Amino acid sequence: GQSLEQPSEVTAVEGAIVQINCTYQTSGFYGLSWYQQHDGGAPTFLSYNALDGLEETGRFSSFLSRSDSYGYLLLQELQMKDSASYFCAVSLLDTGRRALTFGSGTRLQVQP
Amino acid sequence: EAGVVQSPRYKIIEKKQPVAFWCNPISGHNTLYWYRQNLGQGPELLIRYENEEAVDDSQLPKDRFSAERLKGVDSTLKIQPAELGDSAVYLCASSSGLAGGPGTGELFFGEGSRLTVL
Repeated sequence: GQSLEQPSEVTAVEGAIVQINCTYQTSGFYGLSWYQQHDGGAPTFLSYNALDGLEETGRFSSFLSRSDSYGYLLLQELQMKDSASYFCAVSLLDTGRRALTFGSGTRLQVQP
Repeated sequence: EAGVVQSPRYKIIEKKQPVAFWCNPISGHNTLYWYRQNLGQGPELLIRYENEEAVDDSQLPKDRFSAERLKGVDSTLKIQPAELGDSAVYLCASSSGLAGGPGTGELFFGEGSRLTVL
C-alpha cells in the first residue's frame, strides 16, 4: 500500500515563510502534487513535481527528492488568505491505479 | 469555462435511507473520479472512470455503493442503504488525462456533496 505523512498543523505569521513537509512510502511512484483546500471548498491544484528539484509558481514553491521519498511545499510572503489545509498527493504508475492518493493534510493558520 | 458541478451540496438523511449524488465534469475531460473526504482527512478514492468504463473501483464498498457514468459524461454515485459511518463529503473530480501520466497531475474538483446520516 501507500502511505504519506505530513504534519497535522502549522502556524505562522503574516509575511513569513512556511515549509510543509511530506514523506511518502509507495511502490510505482510517479509524481508528487500539492493541493490547497479552504474550509467547505474544493481542493485546488497548486503544483506538481515528477523530477527532483524545485518548482516555483509565484509565492509557492514545491520540492521533490525521489531518493529520499520526500517533498515539501514552501509558501512565501504569507497572507491571511493562505490559511487553509494543504495536501500532498502521490500519483502512481501501477496499471489501473493512476489516480492520486492524498495525505491527511496540514492545516495552516496564518496569524496577523 | 464551467468547473466540475456537483449536486446536492448538502444532504441530511436517516440511516438505512438511500441517497444519490450527481456530478457533471468539465467538458472534454474523459477521466472522472469520486473521492470521499472524512472530516480532518484527505480525500480517498472510491472509483475512477475512463470515459464510461470503471477502471479502478477497488475502494468502493460494493455492498451498498454503486456508481455509473452513462455516455461517458455525467456520473451518479448512490448509497443504499446509508449508514452512520457514511457521513462525509463526496467529491467529484475530472481530468483530461491520467494523473501520473504525461501531464501535470492536476485534478479539477467540485465543491462536494456533504452527507450527514442521522
